[in-house]
Amino acid sequence: ELKVEQNPLFLSMQEGKNYTIYCNYSTTSDRLYWYRQDPGKSLESLFVLLSNGAVKQEGRLMASLDTKARLSTLHITAAVHDLSATYFCAVALSWGAGTKLIIKP
Amino acid sequence: EAQVTQNPRYLITVTGKKLTVTCSQNMNHEYMSWYRQDPGLGLRQIYYSMNVEVTDKGDVPEGYKVSRKEKRNFPLILESPSPNQTSLYFCASSLWVVAGGENEQFFGPGTRLTVL
Repeated sequence: ELKVEQNPLFLSMQEGKNYTIYCNYSTTSDRLYWYRQDPGKSLESLFVLLSNGAVKQEGRLMASLDTKARLSTLHITAAVHDLSATYFCAVALSWGAGTKLIIKP
Repeated sequence: EAQVTQNPRYLITVTGKKLTVTCSQNMNHEYMSWYRQDPGLGLRQIYYSMNVEVTDKGDVPEGYKVSRKEKRNFPLILESPSPNQTSLYFCASSLWVVAGGENEQFFGPGTRLTVL
C-alpha cells in the first residue's frame, strides 16, 4: 500500500520568510502532484512532477522531485499572506494529510 | 469552460433519508472519483471509476454507492445516511489513462453534507 506523508502538518510563519514542506512516499511512482486548498474552497492543481529531478516554479512556490529518495519538496520563498492555504501532495491516487500554512503579516 | 460541477453544494438531511449528490464533468475525462474531507483526516477516497460501468472501492466505501452509466456523470448515493457521514464531499476527474499526460485531478466545488 502506497503511503504518503507530509510534514509539517501545520506551519505558521511570518511574511518574507522562506520555508519548505516535505512529502515522502513509500513506493515507486512516476508522478507526484501538489494541490492547494483555500479555506472552505475546493482543491486546485499547482504542480505535476513527472520525473526524477523535475523542478517546477510558479511565483514564490517551487516544487521538486527526487524519485530515488521518494521525496518531493514545496519551497516557499519570501512568503506573502496570500499563500496561506492547505497544501496537499498526492502520489498516484494516495494523498498526504495536508500542510496547513498560515502566513502572518 | 472546463469544469466539474456538483449538486447540491449544501445539504442538511436526517438519518435514513436517501440522498444523491450529483457530479458532472465536461472534459471527457475517463477517471472520476469521490472523496470526503474531515478535519484532521485529510482527503479520503470513497469510490472511483476508471471508465463507464467500471467502479471500484476506495478507502472508505461503507455506506456509499456510486454508478457510472455515462462518461460525464458520477453520482454518489447515500442509501441510509447516518450522522458519521456528515462531511465535505468532493468529486474529481482526470484523464487518468492517457500515457505521458500530466493527469492531474480537477475538483468540483464541494458538497457540505450534514446528517442530523
